[in-house]
Amino acid sequence: DAGITQSPRYKITETGRQVTLMCHQTWSHSYMFWYRQDLGHGLRLIYYSAAADITDKGEVPDGYVVSRSKTENFPLTLESATRSQTSVYFCASNPTGGDTEAFFGQGTRLTVV
Amino acid sequence: AQKITQTQPGMFVQEKEAVTLDCTYDTSDPSYGLFWYKQPSSGEMIFLIYQGSYDQQNATEGRYSLNFQKARKSANLVISASQLGDSAMYFCAMRASYGQNFVFGPGTRLSVLP
Repeated sequence: DAGITQSPRYKITETGRQVTLMCHQTWSHSYMFWYRQDLGHGLRLIYYSAAADITDKGEVPDGYVVSRSKTENFPLTLESATRSQTSVYFCASNPTGGDTEAFFGQGTRLTVV
Repeated sequence: AQKITQTQPGMFVQEKEAVTLDCTYDTSDPSYGLFWYKQPSSGEMIFLIYQGSYDQQNATEGRYSLNFQKARKSANLVISASQLGDSAMYFCAMRASYGQNFVFGPGTRLSVLP
């Protein structure tokens, strides 16, 4: 299906475990983003990528790792999950800089116990 | 640095009435874009409307319009003739035209009363 998809939709993991959230888009958009959504904070940027092999930190990058070896994929890895990383994670993509909106995936609800 | 402020954590509106959701922003960039998104209880992020900083006219999309006051750095969303389906979380966001990431506000939860 065309669009941007995240997997899994729901994940429960234990403290200290590594977990990877997947994001795949079919539009060949240049830009991709990872946000986390927490009550009272809106969406906060974790990492973003302007193109394959180009990534940069956002507002809250600690404890997360990203890679972008292919334009269409932008996985987010929690190296050693902590309870504070319990959140809803959104992946988004955008074709250009400036005046076009970001297109969002459905979100992944991650619970760290 | 860019910042978005949404001072209304929650709003109520009667069905069929109009409602304004406030958004103020802070940026030193001369060129930028402002966006509004809707997030219903199902969780997806739905793009509503866009306003460019150099646009002369306020943006409109159906029942949504953006009241853009550049000097005041405000970009309020106006929803006319509210419907029950408008009950949702609404986020204001901005992006500098030469920047690379979108900055979001904390959101306003709108409840439409029958």
